[in-house]
Amino acid sequence: QKEVEQDPGPLSVPEGAIVSLNCTYSNSAFQYFMWYRQYSRKGPELLMYTYSSGNKEDGRFTAQVDKSSKYISLFIRDSQPSDSATYLCAMSSNSGNTPLVFGKGTRLSVIA
Amino acid sequence: GAVVSQHPSRVICKSGTSVKIECRSLDFQATTMFWYRQFPKQSLMLMATSNEGSKATYEQGVEKDKFLINHASLTLSTLTVTSAHPEDSSFYICSASPQSNEQFFGPGTRLTVL
Repeated sequence: QKEVEQDPGPLSVPEGAIVSLNCTYSNSAFQYFMWYRQYSRKGPELLMYTYSSGNKEDGRFTAQVDKSSKYISLFIRDSQPSDSATYLCAMSSNSGNTPLVFGKGTRLSVIA
Repeated sequence: GAVVSQHPSRVICKSGTSVKIECRSLDFQATTMFWYRQFPKQSLMLMATSNEGSKATYEQGVEKDKFLINHASLTLSTLTVTSAHPEDSSFYICSASPQSNEQFFGPGTRLTVL
């Protein structure tokens, strides 16, 4: 079993839909969870950063962490064609400057 | 968020030559930077951790003599691909963190080895 599992998609939704992206993980030591958005041929852009369990909201984006289930989610409300990208979950166990463990990424297409 | 730059954004070279990629933190100091490689439709694979003033730490399977890393200052790390081969063609991305582990990525460098 890989440390971080993420459905690669592709996921196609109509404009305005609510998008749900998910990752599961096996390492119970992970405490810091991130979501990155990556457009084609670009570097990943940090969207959300959360610590431990709970919810965090930023505009149309909501990140949820359920450590008991080892499950994290990213919700995108009122999705736009500009949200079309690959979304990568990432996590780490330390608060220090340590490498992240990434999911494979989910490719999302929002159709106008 | 913090800004990380990379140069060049794209490079094409002949097999057997060496290529240097620069990673800079523009508005913060970074004692540690990370180098990743990404193949098409794949996730990011950590290659090495670059530490300012000391030797880089390489992941298993990454040849340190082939991928030379130098972290000469708190804002600059370089990755040199030596004796490049076509199988080294990939998207190379660096990241750095101004605090905790909120890592910010550079725009990436696309290397094509002919």
